[in-house]
Amino acid sequence: NAGVTQTPKFQVLKTGQSMTLQCAQDMNHEYMSWYRQDPGMGLRLIHYSVGAGITDQGEVPNGYNVSRSTTEDFPLRLLSAAPSQTSVYFCASSYRSLSPDEQYFGPGTRLTVT
Amino acid sequence: SQQGEEDPQALSIQEGENATMNCSYKTSINNLQWYRQNSGRGLVHLILIRSNEREKHSGRLRVTLDTSKKSSSLLITASRAADTASYFCATTTGNQFYFGTGTSLTVIP
Repeated sequence: NAGVTQTPKFQVLKTGQSMTLQCAQDMNHEYMSWYRQDPGMGLRLIHYSVGAGITDQGEVPNGYNVSRSTTEDFPLRLLSAAPSQTSVYFCASSYRSLSPDEQYFGPGTRLTVT
Repeated sequence: SQQGEEDPQALSIQEGENATMNCSYKTSINNLQWYRQNSGRGLVHLILIRSNEREKHSGRLRVTLDTSKKSSSLLITASRAADTASYFCATTTGNQFYFGTGTSLTVIP
């Protein structure tokens, strides 16, 4: 199993550009989530999904969209990049969607918006 | 924000010593988890304690949970240089995870 994979590893965007961060898992997990990690802030939940076709907002959803058309994939879209979205983004998955427990994390995408 | 806080922010110890870090949170929880993050890497799950449990052990890890004080502690015994990393607590409420701000642990050989 590859676990949770994320692409790209690094990305530089100009203000106003859009892009999609890819996330995939091969463990048949119901629950998938996106976080951003900023210095001194820990991880903050952006969006999450409890199954294909079901998504919901987390703590910091503004400026981001998600969709979950398959169990395996959970892409994160930045609609119009802003410097405040410079961060490291992590995707994670968990087996259960009801009261999820152990999360498996991808290696992260380091995004810089200039 | 419902983000928890961890204490201390940074901890430096000698190899072989014990390391204790604390986590406080704000709301009622389903469970509390601890994760480790090595520099530049993703997080790795260490241990989970449910809201109706008070203490749990896994190898050199001991976790306690006090729901009346909304706090948890992680004890790493007989630390090794390889334990150098950042440690985060995470609580789950419903389907959402809330991470603490992390403790940076340095174990000096």
